[in-house]
Formats: sequence, structure tokens, C-alpha cells
Amino acid sequence: GAVVSQHPSRVICKSGTSVKIECRSLDFQATTMFWYRQFPKQSLMLMATSNEGSKATYEQGVEKDKFLINHASLTLSTLTVTSAHPEDSSFYICSAVSPGLAGNEQFFGPGTRLTVL
Amino acid sequence: EDQVTQSPEALRLQEGESSSLNCSYTVSGLRGLFWYRQDPGKGPEFLFTLYSAGEEKEKERLKATLTKKESFLHITAPKPEDSATYLCAVRGRGSTLGRLYFGRGTQLTVWP
Repeated sequence: GAVVSQHPSRVICKSGTSVKIECRSLDFQATTMFWYRQFPKQSLMLMATSNEGSKATYEQGVEKDKFLINHASLTLSTLTVTSAHPEDSSFYICSAVSPGLAGNEQFFGPGTRLTVL
Repeated sequence: EDQVTQSPEALRLQEGESSSLNCSYTVSGLRGLFWYRQDPGKGPEFLFTLYSAGEEKEKERLKATLTKKESFLHITAPKPEDSATYLCAVRGRGSTLGRLYFGRGTQLTVWP
């Protein structure tokens, strides 16, 4: 149980295009989902927290107009990187948590590798 | 602000050579200390949650312990398949919506 999936696992795009990443909780309802990015040999940096049906809460320094987050249902959150540039190339990981599920642990998706040319 | 420091940054062990990874933390009202394993190019895999000083949890060759200031992840007789980055994270009383604060991780390499 407690499986989180991400799609796509890898994407390469041209500079200026937008990329959408999906995060799904497969066997539980996630009231809260988190989006992280991770640079090589660095730890996870929280970008934003999203709750189903409400606006995402962004961390300081994260541009909300560039990284659009939609948490449309209890099993799906999407991150759209708008007008992507090479500096947006990174490993994006989502996680999901459900109150009462396994002590409120966060369960992580497998990540999405974004490369912007 | 909640903070997590992990040491060492990297650790190389020979197969069978037991050792420990350290996670020092500063948090206002601990609501959980979490250990994750992360393989290259993959998301973190949940290992343990510890809630109070003195608590211990075990899983195969791994054992996590917790004091009021730090946690240790003990690896007994490691095997090459234990090679990964081990991440420590904390959740504090003031944690908004359950967010975690992560350390930079310890990259463990176990060679045959």
C-alpha cells in the first residue's frame, strides 16, 4: 500500500515550452501533497505544499507563476513548469500524506527528470 | 527554524563492516524523525519513523535510534545492495501541513 506514482518519469523539452508533471496516490486519498526539486548530490528542496481544493502554499523564493500547482482531487496533483529554461532542469519529486495513514509518513513518487535544452 | 545535519556526507564500507550514520536535529517540539533511503534517479523510500527519545526500530540490517538531539542509523554487516543515500528528516510542532525538513543525506557505498 501507500504507492505514489509520477508521470512522466523523464522529459526533455525545448526552452520556452511548458511541461506538466502528474503525481498520483494510487491506493489512498492524499489530503496533502508536496512538491520538491533536487539537484545532483543535494537534498530535497520543498517547493510548495498543496491541499485538495485549495491554493498551493509556496516556499520563499519559488515563483508561483512559473510553477503552477493544481490539486484537483484527493488522488491527483499536477505541477506545470511554465516557459521552462535550462536552469529549471532538475529532478522533481512529489510526496503525499494522508492523516492516519501509517503515522502521517510522507510517501514519495519515483521522481521526474526534467531536461530543458 | 527546524534544522537537520547529517554526517558523514559520504561513507565507504567494506561488505560486512558495520557502522552508523548520524542525524543531528534542532526542532521545536518533535513530531517525528524520519529516515528514508534514496537510490540514484529515484524517489526516497520510507524506512522508519521515530517519535520519542529512547525509541528504536529495526528492519533487516538497519536499526534506527533516537535521543533528544540526534538519531543514528546503524547498519550491521552491510551488503553492496545497501549502497544508497540515506536521508533524515524531522517534523516539528510548528510544521505547516506536515512538512518535513530534510538533511543533505549520507551517501553510503558498500563494496564487496
